[in-house]
Amino acid sequence: AQKITQTQPGMFVQEKEAVTLDCTYDTSDPSYGLFWYKQPSSGEMIFLIYQGSYDQQNATEGRYSLNFQKARKSANLVISASQLGDSAMYFCAMSFFSGAGSYQLTFGKGTKLSVIP
Amino acid sequence: GAGVSQSPSNKVTEKGKDVELRCDPISGHTALYWYRQSLGQGLEFLIYFQGNSAPDKSGLPSDRFSAERTGGSVSTLTIQRTQQEDSAVYLCASSARGGYGYTFGSGTRLTVV
Repeated sequence: AQKITQTQPGMFVQEKEAVTLDCTYDTSDPSYGLFWYKQPSSGEMIFLIYQGSYDQQNATEGRYSLNFQKARKSANLVISASQLGDSAMYFCAMSFFSGAGSYQLTFGKGTKLSVIP
Repeated sequence: GAGVSQSPSNKVTEKGKDVELRCDPISGHTALYWYRQSLGQGLEFLIYFQGNSAPDKSGLPSDRFSAERTGGSVSTLTIQRTQQEDSAVYLCASSARGGYGYTFGSGTRLTVV
């Protein structure tokens, strides 16, 4: 069964510093996608970055990069130059093709990031 | 519309009542998902619609939960005889194709008292 594990319930980072949020996944499927979402206190899920299982290079989107280590089944999110507005919940998720014939997203439990001025 | 629209944004209902939650996906998106997020938890898959195919209902927690999607667009999630454990944020997402490009709505916060 597909599973996402985020081992850090909460993290603190100093403003302007970089921070790494951990994510490991478990799947036996060769084809899958990995996502990171940000959920501020307003509740909306904001897409940050995507990595396909066959992508050779790590994904980057502005200050966000995904450290994809396929053999270790990890997909850590790196946020560079943290800003106060980065304070939020961060969810790692994996898409896969289910046995019921649909694509599903399975989520980790999230990491609450707090940026300290 | 420009994004996924959900209504109402907040709903308080008495235990035992039925509720309907609405999702209006991005125009042209054929895939639509419902998720549930309980307090302090990650997202739990409920149901998936793709075009005219039969929906994947494998995540629905009980037969009190049902959903439909009319005309391949708007979807309604119905919870009958609500229980306190149904209190959660219900999130809808759509994508142009399964597996990628999910856009989430702002959710409906359901409180059962």
